[in-house]
Amino acid sequence: DVKVTQSSRYLVKRTGEKVFLECVQDMDHENMFWYRQDPGLGLRLIYFSYDVKMKEKGDIPEGYSVSREKKERFSLILESASTNQTSMYLCASHGTSGQQYFGPGTRLTVT
Amino acid sequence: DQQVKQNSPSLSVQEGRISILNCDYTNSMFDYFLWYKKYPAEGPTFLISISSIKDKNEDGRFTVFLNKSAKHLSLHIVPSQPGDSAVYFCAAIPGSTLGRLYFGRGTQLTVWP
Repeated sequence: DVKVTQSSRYLVKRTGEKVFLECVQDMDHENMFWYRQDPGLGLRLIYFSYDVKMKEKGDIPEGYSVSREKKERFSLILESASTNQTSMYLCASHGTSGQQYFGPGTRLTVT
Repeated sequence: DQQVKQNSPSLSVQEGRISILNCDYTNSMFDYFLWYKKYPAEGPTFLISISSIKDKNEDGRFTVFLNKSAKHLSLHIVPSQPGDSAVYFCAAIPGSTLGRLYFGRGTQLTVWP
């Protein structure tokens, strides 16, 4: 079974802090994704990566950056956390089939 | 602009009855469609998919129907069970893709006894 793990299930940070969210997949997938989920807004794509050191902006990249130094690991960085970045963050990876495999999510609260 | 739309934010169905969740899309380049199910505090899990060359795909209690001319797909759950209560997301992939999915906003399904 594909496994996608995220470094934290719950995280509380202060406004202005730099925040790192880590995601690791164990299936040698090329493509990895970061989404955020907010009530009534569904899953919105922040960034994705189709290869090591490659990244593409999604629909809402402002305030975020990413890093993909190794194939299995994709990190999301909030350079200066703000309260409007309080959300559920979901990482996913994608192999040769059409489907994406999601991690369990990180519930981030910025106070 | 939403390219995948789920116009019903919620659906309530009695146990044993059919649940029908609907999804519309605008991009004619979409050629593969998926449904995901999400419980609170968990990541979405893949449920069922359909290629644009088909109009129906079944997997147990779940059937997805695709009407390309109407740019519409639906998920049927028969019979519905209380454990099916979750948020259901419709997603689509365009033909030329790096694997990026376009998601609808989700429909909260509640199945009551």
